[in-house]
Amino acid sequence: QQPVQSPQAVILREGEDAVINCSSSKALYSVHWYRQKHGEAPVFLMILLKGGEQKGHDKISASFNEKKQQSSLYLTASQLSYSGTYFCGTEIKNRDDKIIFGKGTRLHILP
Amino acid sequence: AAGVIQSPRHLIKEKRETATLKCYPIPRHDTVYWYQQGPGQDPQFLISFYEKMQSDKGSIPDRFSAQQFSDYHSELNMSSLELGDSALYFCASTPRGESGANVLTFGAGSRLTVL
Repeated sequence: QQPVQSPQAVILREGEDAVINCSSSKALYSVHWYRQKHGEAPVFLMILLKGGEQKGHDKISASFNEKKQQSSLYLTASQLSYSGTYFCGTEIKNRDDKIIFGKGTRLHILP
Repeated sequence: AAGVIQSPRHLIKEKRETATLKCYPIPRHDTVYWYQQGPGQDPQFLISFYEKMQSDKGSIPDRFSAQQFSDYHSELNMSSLELGDSALYFCASTPRGESGANVLTFGAGSRLTVL
């Protein structure tokens, strides 16, 4: 039931782009994206509900392919502040009260 | 803006002892989640509460119990502590009653070390 994230880790230079993928074997109601810096709490980035919508703010956007049960997080022109571990979390149904996180993708941005 | 408050922030216990972690959700948030995160691991879902009732359960050991009180704060009780219980425990809250989107706001976490 745990979503699968790829890649496990990414190293980029500042200004480069990155894509992080999240896939599930189960039909999903929603996909969440969170970023966690070392020793800190995960911070919400965005949520995508089934319907194939795409969301974004600033240089971070995401898509959700309901038919394939896949979501991708796009980081454009990465900044040093983007470094951290990105987790996708999935809900199987509306008002699930159980968000299961993937194993995370470690992103390291070099100056 | 008010955030999710967790206490204590750090806790050191011996094996077989008992520990209690507290979580105070954001005002008007009716749903609380508990997660356990080991070093370098993903947050593992333990249990959730909606309107003071347990709403879902994950990989929570039988030695652990939790509840949500009338003021919506929640407590995670851990007994017969084992070395493997050493982890960061996060509480998160969401205003589930207002919409179907469970956007979680996490507390800063309680770091439990079992010696």
